Amino acid sequence: QSALTQPASMSGSPGQSISISCTGTSTDVGDYNYVSWYQHHPGKAPKLLIYDVTNRPPGVSDRFSGSKSGNTASLTISGLQAEDEADYYCSLYTSSTYTRVFGGGTKLTVL
Amino acid sequence: EVQLLQSGGGLVQPGGSLRLSCAASGFTFSLYAMTWVRQAPGKGLEWVSVMTVSGSRTYYADSVKGRFTISRDNSKNTLFLQMDSLRAEDTAVYYCARDHRYSSFWGQGTLVTVSS
Repeated sequence: QSALTQPASMSGSPGQSISISCTGTSTDVGDYNYVSWYQHHPGKAPKLLIYDVTNRPPGVSDRFSGSKSGNTASLTISGLQAEDEADYYCSLYTSSTYTRVFGGGTKLTVL
Repeated sequence: EVQLLQSGGGLVQPGGSLRLSCAASGFTFSLYAMTWVRQAPGKGLEWVSVMTVSGSRTYYADSVKGRFTISRDNSKNTLFLQMDSLRAEDTAVYYCARDHRYSSFWGQGTLVTVSS
């Protein structure tokens, strides 16, 4: 299973909104609604932000939202805050093989 | 409160073995699939392995298949990762995580360094 494609880096100013893309193919992202997103601050454990494309776990800010169009899933962060500066990863679960794959990760800088 | 407490990392020579442990608390361990994920230095997250609820099924990334073995002891609420024939490219922080379709809770991570 090939890794999903994410932009290596993105940046935004406080208060802005940004969207991080996660691109696969018609046989993975395009075929399954099992995309999840994680925030990872270096030295800490990753944190689940979004699961099953659009669902937010309890306790996660509603500034984080997920969507999917065709072969690309997206994580949108609205009202950027300094503490949002972190690495973000998408992940896809493929039920036919019971395996998962991560995207390459996106380093978000809040200017 | 869900907690996953990891242990067992360290320095090992190429070709050597190491066993990681992940002690779970705060939830009914036997009702959840459990996963291992790793992050090599300067790299992204990589899914490593999963074990189903009953332990009857295991799955591995191609990069570790045949060398790593995932197991669990539901009586002790503990997940294991036996790593054999270790290579330099296995150097990473290893995380255990609850669930498989997505990872809702994560351990603190443990560093495995494979070097002579």
